[in-house]
Amino acid sequence: GDSVTQMEGPVTLSEEAFLTINCTYTATGYPSLFWYVQYPGEGLQLLLKATKADDKGSNKGFEATYRKETTSFHLEKGSVQVSDSAVYFCALSDPMDSSYKLIFGSGTRLLVRP
Amino acid sequence: EAQVTQNPRYLITVTGKKLTVTCSQNMNHEYMSWYRQDPGLGLRQIYYSMNVEVTDKGDVPEGYKVSRKEKRNFPLILESPSPNQTSLYFCASSPYGGGESGELFFGEGSRLTVL
Repeated sequence: GDSVTQMEGPVTLSEEAFLTINCTYTATGYPSLFWYVQYPGEGLQLLLKATKADDKGSNKGFEATYRKETTSFHLEKGSVQVSDSAVYFCALSDPMDSSYKLIFGSGTRLLVRP
Repeated sequence: EAQVTQNPRYLITVTGKKLTVTCSQNMNHEYMSWYRQDPGLGLRQIYYSMNVEVTDKGDVPEGYKVSRKEKRNFPLILESPSPNQTSLYFCASSPYGGGESGELFFGEGSRLTVL
């Protein structure tokens, strides 16, 4: 079945460092891809999405490009802030799945130090 | 304020004691779903509902029940909780199938411990 694999965390960075969180997927069809963020004590929020190959999703300085040839959707940010500390989840949805569920990766915790 | 509200936020219970986690959304969303979050496993769908009186199993439905008698409410019922149901539970909603837009609106989570 479809699946999402993310890099293990935690990822610890200093403020203003460059961030990459790797995400690869396995899917039989043509999924849509998403990044969700979970701040401490809160539910998940959609950060960005891409619905077809070569699309780039972006929001709040974060970017991710849907790479069909490498089945990847890596999250990047040029300069992280302490307020970016959170858990980041990569997810996919299969448009042919009647349950409309999202399949999540295991999450990557990001810690940004001042 | 648009939101998904879950209760209780924290609960410690004992094996076999029936419990219900409530979920309510004020956005008039048709689609609602329950996920559980476990370390190293991400979130997995338990049940979902496309509309009132329409519910179906997700990937990990064993030991859970749901109902959808009203559009805004989607309670999760554990008839006889067991320790392997210790987890963090999230309710989510969407104006249509979450997979179409990908944007699920999540509650803040309910942390359940079964002793």
